[in-house]
Amino acid sequence: KAGVTQTPRYLIKTRGQQVTLSCSPISGHRSVSWYQQTPGQGLQFLFEYFSETQRNKGNFPGRFSGRQFSNSRSEMNVSTLELGDSALYLCASSLTSGDYNEQFFGPGTRLTVL
Amino acid sequence: AQSVTQLGSHVSVSEGALVLLRCNYSSSVPPYLFWYVQYPNQGLQLLLKYTSAATLVKGINGFEAEFKKSETSFHLTKPSAHMSDAAEYFCAVRSPTDYSGAGSYQLTFGKGTKLSVIP
Repeated sequence: KAGVTQTPRYLIKTRGQQVTLSCSPISGHRSVSWYQQTPGQGLQFLFEYFSETQRNKGNFPGRFSGRQFSNSRSEMNVSTLELGDSALYLCASSLTSGDYNEQFFGPGTRLTVL
Repeated sequence: AQSVTQLGSHVSVSEGALVLLRCNYSSSVPPYLFWYVQYPNQGLQLLLKYTSAATLVKGINGFEAEFKKSETSFHLTKPSAHMSDAAEYFCAVRSPTDYSGAGSYQLTFGKGTKLSVIP
């Protein structure tokens, strides 16, 4: 069974631009969570989608948004990029919402904002 | 609010020596606790989890952790370090949120501990 895949793996953008990251969960998994990882703040929860609905949201500004499609694939969008948005963005999938007992992470997308 | 503190951002051990990575948590509800490992340029992999069953939890790759409620700790140990254990380790607690009512949770992570293994 294929694992969680994230595309692209690396991305370079400039301030003010917007970016869309993609996450394909493990087949059969309906929940996708997104995390931001930075050296200063560590791992922080962004949001979770389950069955195309946002089920949870962390403390991030509205510039960070997401969505989930009927095939459970999820996208995360960041608008008006700031230097501080440079980070590794991880997504994780699980069978059901809030099922952290069996949450599988993708390799991440490394975003650099110049 | 739930939080996790990992003591020591960097830990070095000799190959074959005991590995001890410390994690203390703060939780207003019975905690679910997790240890994850992250190898360079990879995502996180679940090592083990505590979900209110046995207090001594065994995980993959020879790691184990003991839940101690009185000390609010969930330290990760391995009797004998191997070179392949060099990675960053994260402790996490399941935290309730108010976003969509009762039963909503998220993971709150510690800052991580980078483990180096010296040959």
